[in-house]
Amino acid sequence: DQQVKQNSPSLSVQEGRISILNCDYTNSMFDYFLWYKKYPAEGPTFLISISSIKDKNEDGRFTVFLNKSAKHLSLHIVPSQPGDSAVYFCAASARDRDDKIIFGKGTRLHILP
Amino acid sequence: NAGVMQNPRHLVRRRGQEARLRCSPMKGHSHVYWYRQLPEEGLKFMVYLQKENIIDESGMPKERFSAEFPKEGPSILRIQQVVRGDSAAYFCASSPLVSQPQHFGDGTRLSIL
Repeated sequence: DQQVKQNSPSLSVQEGRISILNCDYTNSMFDYFLWYKKYPAEGPTFLISISSIKDKNEDGRFTVFLNKSAKHLSLHIVPSQPGDSAVYFCAASARDRDDKIIFGKGTRLHILP
Repeated sequence: NAGVMQNPRHLVRRRGQEARLRCSPMKGHSHVYWYRQLPEEGLKFMVYLQKENIIDESGMPKERFSAEFPKEGPSILRIQQVVRGDSAAYFCASSPLVSQPQHFGDGTRLSIL
């Protein structure tokens, strides 16, 4: 029973172009969404989050979009850089219920030179 | 301001032995989470603890696995009588509140011979 789904195991994008990573969720109680980035042999690092009262949150090259009616969120990285090559995890929680964060399986992003 | 510290980084055990994985949360964080990552898979939640209490252990195998977070000292994930299938990366994370982003350690890679 996967509540947070990342259907693309991997994605390749040319350096300088836009990377779009997608995530779907099934639990309508989720009201807080996060993206984490993970390099090999390191722990995941928190990247950006969004509350369900917003539909967009931007931080530098990273923007997260939330479509509540579709239960879908996406992470846009523009322009993509070589250092962005990593695994990206989408995560969600029902914050107002003080519930734990649930992670997706991750998408491996390759930035091509 | 030290991050989440996990040790050891690598642990090798023979089948039937015990494995003890330690996690010191970030200063000021009273919530600790343990995750397991199998090769080519995402982060699987195991257990969530607050000082001296197990809050949610829904992801823990029913046998051989236990976790504690004593009043003093690090959180410990203990695996008794290890089997080959326990080989994985085990990540610890901490947060000041359950609803806030978790900060991860760099993991312990457990190998069972």
